Amino acid sequence: DGGITQSPKYLFRKEGQNVTLSCEQNLNHDAMYWYRQDPGQGLRLIYYSQIVNDFQKGDIAEGYSVSREKKESFPLTVTSAQKNPTAFYLCASSIEAAGKVSGYTFGSGTRLTVV
Amino acid sequence: AQSVTQLDSHVSVSEGTPVLLRCNYSSSYSPSLFWYVQHPNKGLQLLLKYTSAATLVKGINGFEAEFKKSETSFHLTKPSAHMSDAAEYFCVVSLPWAGTALIFGKGTTLSVSS
Repeated sequence: DGGITQSPKYLFRKEGQNVTLSCEQNLNHDAMYWYRQDPGQGLRLIYYSQIVNDFQKGDIAEGYSVSREKKESFPLTVTSAQKNPTAFYLCASSIEAAGKVSGYTFGSGTRLTVV
Repeated sequence: AQSVTQLDSHVSVSEGTPVLLRCNYSSSYSPSLFWYVQHPNKGLQLLLKYTSAATLVKGINGFEAEFKKSETSFHLTKPSAHMSDAAEYFCVVSLPWAGTALIFGKGTTLSVSS
């Protein structure tokens, strides 16, 4: 079955460490996104990528980095510069039809906790 | 700029009674509008979407939403709540062209009591 796989489901990080969250899709979608979810704040966009080797900052990109070397993969690195990294992270992808987005698919998320 | 406002952070209903989750949007363009549901520690599931076709949109699990341009609203309704409907619901807006990220409301937590 096609879909988006996020791993790991739960991740613990010590303060001052970088950590990378994985996001892989086999849907042949062009665009991929990373969102952060905090209680009572909905989802906020961190980074997005419309094509391979290109990505754009979202609303809260500080302290995060991404790469898009392959169409299927869009890993997110939470760096030590991110002051409050404990959150639920969701990856998504979208497909276009006739130049318009026709659907989004979400992964099941990674819960990151700083210990 | 476009944005979306969910008017209630928490809604409580009894099983078998109607559900109304309110959402207002602002956009300079004709947006695409979505409702997503999220159960605890799970990803997001699409309930329904409006993309400029019929203004009354029917979704999964008996939910529906009506797009009212004059009121800039896209409220989610269900005639009879079920215990399994208890979850967090997000109203989402997207510009109708490629490569555009979604703009999320802050969410409404729906509680269903027996």
